[in-house]
Amino acid sequence: ETGVTQTPRHLVMGMTNKKSLKCEQHLGHNAMYWYKQSAKKPLELMFVYSLEERVENNSVPSRFSPECPNSSHLFLHLHTLQPEDSALYLCASSQENKNIQYFGAGTRLSVL
Amino acid sequence: GEDVEQSLFLSVREGDSSVINCTYTDSSSTYLYWYKQEPGAGLQLLTYIFSNMDMKQDQRLTVLLNKKDKHLSLRIADTQTGDSAIYFCAEWASGGYNKLIFGAGTRLAVHP
Repeated sequence: ETGVTQTPRHLVMGMTNKKSLKCEQHLGHNAMYWYKQSAKKPLELMFVYSLEERVENNSVPSRFSPECPNSSHLFLHLHTLQPEDSALYLCASSQENKNIQYFGAGTRLSVL
Repeated sequence: GEDVEQSLFLSVREGDSSVINCTYTDSSSTYLYWYKQEPGAGLQLLTYIFSNMDMKQDQRLTVLLNKKDKHLSLRIADTQTGDSAIYFCAEWASGGYNKLIFGAGTRLAVHP
């Protein structure tokens, strides 16, 4: 248990669906991250939130929409995804001035 | 640019030592990390080393850092079947915001 909880653990969706991934951290951190993990590729940083403001967006397609309502919660809203978006989506958190990130177990997403 | 490279696969016999290697490109990285990912799980921070250190030991784990060659290694002594996992090397990227750059991961298989 890392203190970072992601739900759901598995998600199957069609290309026309809208779904959301949720991340919650119980570590008192104030920075949160979304990563995409595809097979045999390095983790790709998608979004960074610090103090509930988005500070980095690594050229992610607009079909992925993040939301950070408070420092403990992070969402990734998904709509009209493509099959190549199938991957493991990992959430992480850290203290804003510290460089140790703690990861959740991820959501395994399959787009049909 | 920033890049972290690792070999994709390593197979060792139970009880032997495992050595997982990594090269990175950002010579100004202040921290380098090793994360472990077991099947169906997120990334677990194993250890990290500050760039002014050459070596760090933590029980069965030994991290060696060669800054001149930009080479990082993780040695696992007395490798057990429970060590079977994917091991990710990561560097703390200078510039930008709280960014970790990951390698593609090395899958360690431990056989009897």
